[in-house]
Amino acid sequence: EAGVVQSPRYKIIEKKQPVAFWCNPISGHNTLYWYLQNLGQGPELLIRYENEEAVDDSQLPKDRFSAERLKGVDSTLKIQPAELGDSAVYLCASSSPSYNEQFFGPGTRLTVL
Amino acid sequence: SQQGEEDPQALSIQEGENATMNCSYKTSINNLQWYRQNSGRGLVHLILIRSNEREKHSGRLRVTLDTSKKSSSLLITASRAADTASYFCATDPGGNNRLAFGKGNQVVVIP
Repeated sequence: EAGVVQSPRYKIIEKKQPVAFWCNPISGHNTLYWYLQNLGQGPELLIRYENEEAVDDSQLPKDRFSAERLKGVDSTLKIQPAELGDSAVYLCASSSPSYNEQFFGPGTRLTVL
Repeated sequence: SQQGEEDPQALSIQEGENATMNCSYKTSINNLQWYRQNSGRGLVHLILIRSNEREKHSGRLRVTLDTSKKSSSLLITASRAADTASYFCATDPGGNNRLAFGKGNQVVVIP
């Protein structure tokens, strides 16, 4: 079974530039999560989708961050414009309704210069 | 904000020894989960313990939960070099899979 796929794995941009991350969850998983993980910290939830609906986006900085999951499968997280403080690892995870376990992708390491 | 907090933050042990780490949390929970993160495999789910359970085993892992003290412990027995990783506890207060992760506990197993 293929795991959660994320791309790119690494991204280096200059501040004020836009950036986008892509995630393809495990087949059949209705719930998709985007997390932010700073160095030495645990992941922090940005947004959670149930199918194509964002059911929890209270922690998403909506002035610069946006996300979509149009067909209820893969998802894109965008930052525009990026700031120095956005440098972090962005993790995508998915889960099925039957289990509480979340399956994580390898993450995208973003560096903003 | 981070819900769980692991203690100790860093642990270095010899291969074959046991490793114990603790996690405390502030609010009531539906379940508590432990995850492992290393550079090779990313963040991986280890074990889930529900609020009505006190102890759970999975292979070389043993998790305890004390809801009166709002704390949990993870024991890894007979550690291996491959157990070198960061270990995170994550609480699910509402049972809706909205996890709040702790800061993590770095474990180094010396061969």
